[in-house]
Parts: sequence; C-alpha cells; structure tokens
Amino acid sequence: DVKVTQSSRYLVKRTGEKVFLECVQDMDHENMFWYRQDPGLGLRLIYFSYDVKMKEKGDIPEGYSVSREKKERFSLILESASTNQTSMYLCASSPTGTAGNYGYTFGSGTRLTVV
Amino acid sequence: AQKVTQAQTEISVVEKEDVTLDCVYETRDTTYYLFWYKQPPSGELVFLIRRNSFDEQNEISGRYSWNFQKSTSSFNFTITASQVVDSAVYFCALIRGSGGYQKVTFGTGTKLQVIP
Repeated sequence: DVKVTQSSRYLVKRTGEKVFLECVQDMDHENMFWYRQDPGLGLRLIYFSYDVKMKEKGDIPEGYSVSREKKERFSLILESASTNQTSMYLCASSPTGTAGNYGYTFGSGTRLTVV
Repeated sequence: AQKVTQAQTEISVVEKEDVTLDCVYETRDTTYYLFWYKQPPSGELVFLIRRNSFDEQNEISGRYSWNFQKSTSSFNFTITASQVVDSAVYFCALIRGSGGYQKVTFGTGTKLQVIP
C-alpha cells in the first residue's frame, strides 16, 4: 500500500527551538507539499517541491524553510519556533502532471505544540 | 485565481439522517478536477472521489453520492442514512487541469458530527 509517512504524530517544542518535521513517501512521486491546518482556515500551503533540491513558496512560507535532498524525503524546518506555529502539519505528495487523476496522498499529520 | 467555498463550518445530525455538504468553486480554467477528502479524527486525509470538469454525471457509492453541476459551480456531497463513523472533517478541493505540480485549492472544511 502506498504511503506518506510523517515521523512524529505529536511534538511539543519550546519557543525559539529549531524544529524539524520529516516526511517520507514511497511512491516515487515528484511533487511533495507541506500544509498547515488550523480550525476555520482549512489547509494552507507552506512550501512545495517539484523535484529534488527544488522548492517553491506556498501561501504562508514566513517562519519556515524546507529541504529536499532525496526524492522520497521532504523536511519542514521551523527555524525558531513560535507559539503561533502551534498547528497540525500535513505532508502530501503527487506525481507530476497527473495529480488531477489521483489527487494527493496525505500523511497522518504531525500535531505540533509550541510552548 | 481559484477558490473553493464550503460555507458550512459544522453540521450535526442524528444517526440515520441524510446530510448534504456543500461545495462551491471558482476557476477560470476549462479543465479542472474536483475532489472530496475525509479527515477522520486520526488526522489523515482520505480520498473519496474525483470528478473532471467534462464529466457532470452524478455518482453514487454506497451511502455516498455526489452532485456536480457546472452551471452553479457546485460539487455537493450527500451521505444517506448517516452513521457515527461518518463523523469527520470533509474537504472539497480543486486542481487545475494542467501544469507540472498542479497546485490544489482546498475549501476550509465542514466538520460533520453524527450523534448516535
């Protein structure tokens, strides 16, 4: 069964810490995405990557960076965590050019609390 | 610009009632795809259905049915005889029909609570 795996289900971090959220997919998808989900705001795109070492800003990139050194892995980095980054973070992947056929495959999410 | 509107933030129904979740979209593309996802309490978004812009045929899958109407830019989702397991957040989404990464536009979601 194809999968997108997020390394942590729950995380609690302190303000100012550097936080890494990891996402791995086993479907050989070119595209990977990081979203944050907040009540009433739905899913908002933070960053996406359409190839190894390539990245593009989404709608809310401030305070975040990403890394994609290998095709299967896409990391979200909070350089200095703040309480307003407390949220659910969802990783997704899709094949290039055919997302309309299959949509995205999502991970189970990481619920991050910054205290 | 693309936009997906799910006006219903939360809905509560009693088990066995029918419920319809509304989705209205905006796009200038002539080719696009519409999706519904279910997000149970476990967190993972689960794909439910896909429709392309050229296929307005309604679909039924068990207790689920979808009504796609281009004339009103709507893609509504009906659950018949709701069950407690249907309790989840449901997202409607739009993907443009071409382009490398095909960015998705999500609605803000409708939280459905089915009361036993």
